[in-house]
Amino acid sequence: EVQLVESGGGVVQPGGSLRLSCATSGFSFRSFWMSWVRQAPGKGLEWVANIDEDGSVTRSVDSQKFTISKDNARDSVHLEMNGLRVDDTAVYYCTREGGDLLPSSHWGQGTHVTVSS
Amino acid sequence: DIVMTQSPDSLAVSLGERATINCKSSQSVLYTPNRRNYLAWYQQKPGQPPKLLLYWASARESGVPDRFTGSGSGTDFTLTINGLQAEDVALYYCQQYFTTPKTFGQGTRVEV
Repeated sequence: EVQLVESGGGVVQPGGSLRLSCATSGFSFRSFWMSWVRQAPGKGLEWVANIDEDGSVTRSVDSQKFTISKDNARDSVHLEMNGLRVDDTAVYYCTREGGDLLPSSHWGQGTHVTVSS
Repeated sequence: DIVMTQSPDSLAVSLGERATINCKSSQSVLYTPNRRNYLAWYQQKPGQPPKLLLYWASARESGVPDRFTGSGSGTDFTLTINGLQAEDVALYYCQQYFTTPKTFGQGTRVEV
């Protein structure tokens, strides 16, 4: 069974940084693209970033704010977030994508990030 | 970025009736060489992550009931739920994966 478990969320002050992690199991991690999608409270879904199978290709909605990385030795994916603002408050979901141009077939339960002073 | 617009924002349907959700993209998500539409539909129930229902506009993900049907091409797409069940009450999102960022529609709430 595919499992994605996010961690690292919490409360951070505006301008601060946070590192989210996603531990995976149940599939060949090094064979899949991974991504992060977020959802602000009561709002819709926003795709944030993705990374290819071996971690050499990354894409992001804001490369200055979000850095995605992949650790194929530990079957985990991470999201570094910098310069956080109040409107970055959201649930951040880790997802497994079918490929570069494929949708997210598996989702974690999400980790909450609150940006507040 | 490709903008995805869903309509309506919400709809109420009687049990057993049909629900229809529309999704329009600001540019075509049809890749002509393979004739595929890079369009997916997700279902999200309260307190849960989204669940992939359909991809390539009309292909059902494994385990998705056949009452969920996708149609459309280019810029205009439809998700139809035939014979609405109580467990179908949820938010539904379309997403284009033709290019990054893989943008979502704003969501449509389906109620009974």
